[in-house]
Amino acid sequence: DAGVIQSPRHEVTEMGQEVTLRCKPISGHDYLFWYRQTMMRGLELLIYFNNNVPIDDSGMPEDRFSAKMPNASFSTLKIQPSEPRDSAVYFCASSLMGLALDTQYFGPGTRLTVL
Amino acid sequence: QKEVEQDPGPLSVPEGAIVSLNCTYSNSAFQYFMWYRQYSRKGPELLMYTYSSGNKEDGRFTAQVDKSSKYISLFIRDSQPSDSATYLCAMGKGAQKLVFGQGTRLTINP
Repeated sequence: DAGVIQSPRHEVTEMGQEVTLRCKPISGHDYLFWYRQTMMRGLELLIYFNNNVPIDDSGMPEDRFSAKMPNASFSTLKIQPSEPRDSAVYFCASSLMGLALDTQYFGPGTRLTVL
Repeated sequence: QKEVEQDPGPLSVPEGAIVSLNCTYSNSAFQYFMWYRQYSRKGPELLMYTYSSGNKEDGRFTAQVDKSSKYISLFIRDSQPSDSATYLCAMGKGAQKLVFGQGTRLTINP
């Protein structure tokens, strides 16, 4: 398996623009997670899905952030409008079982810079 | 107070040294304890996984959990330059989400 695939790998945009990050989880994995990593705050869970259904979005910072999983092989994280403080590395991860019970496999991340 | 505290370092040691990385936590309900390794510009990858208290050894790596002190450690013996990375502790309970430490940046100098 190719592992978790994320695109784009790098994104530079201007404040106010819409940003869409994409993720393809490992085939057969029922759980998908979106994380954000910054130097100041470390790795933070934004939202996770089980069988395409959002289970916990309490980590989503504000209404500017939204995530969807239209099918088992694709998820998006959208920021609209983007702000400079959204600059971070965004990781997608997937696992076979849930959360603390199982290994999470991380993608390579999308490095987002908002100017 | 954060649920999981981890010294971000950076930590720099000579090749061959024994490395000790640590995390403390406040939630006594945590049952699963993990260490992830993250190379520069890569995603984290699971290194060690421990359930409840005790030790677990895998090659040069040993993970220890002391639930009475709410303290976990990762030891690296005979450290190699290829061990240079950021190490993140993570912990959780059952079907709840993992909580990650901030990560410790480690450099092994040849």
